[in-house]
Amino acid sequence: AQRVTQPEKLLSVFKGAPVELKCNYSYSGSPELFWYVQYSRQRLQLLLRHISRESIKGFTADLNKGETSFHLKKPFAQEEDSAMYYCALSPLSGGYNKLIFGAGTRLAVHP
Amino acid sequence: DAGVIQSPRHEVTEMGQEVTLRCKPISGHNSLFWYRQTMMRGLELLIYFNNNVPIDDSGMPEDRFSAKMPNASFSTLKIQPSEPRDSAVYFCASGQIGNTIYFGEGSWLTVV
Repeated sequence: AQRVTQPEKLLSVFKGAPVELKCNYSYSGSPELFWYVQYSRQRLQLLLRHISRESIKGFTADLNKGETSFHLKKPFAQEEDSAMYYCALSPLSGGYNKLIFGAGTRLAVHP
Repeated sequence: DAGVIQSPRHEVTEMGQEVTLRCKPISGHNSLFWYRQTMMRGLELLIYFNNNVPIDDSGMPEDRFSAKMPNASFSTLKIQPSEPRDSAVYFCASGQIGNTIYFGEGSWLTVV
């Protein structure tokens, strides 16, 4: 079964604190993993995809195939990082690129 | 490019009425997706198209929901008859096969 699990509904931190948003996936093949961010009442925007290995807005994520995880990290949180974060999986088989989303984690960064 | 364009942005309708949501994907994209977002269930994939052909509609909740893509630049999601439990944000997204998917701003539907 294809599944994405984000165990935390809410993560609350203070400005400047490190952040780690957890994501685990279940898929029998080699998926592509993404992080999307949704600011209040806006569209979902791509934050990261694992194949690009970029750092966007200070966020990084490493795919750990052994632990089937793709946790999102940032060393120093900013208030503007407050948003909903969704981890997503795209099965590579079949050439189709549908996204399966986790339930999302709300990050609240307090001053 | 203006991105994925959805209409209407907001709709309030009475139970039993027909609702039609519209989507214009990004030019050149050959995949189109309809997602529903609710507090209880998060983001659910309803249906997706490749090259205007429906590939997977297993997420469509029931026969009251239907989606069409008559050409590469337009898609509709129809609910008939609508029910209060259909209240949600409906997102359309598009992409090229194997590449990033881009989302529209969503259609906020309230059925009273």
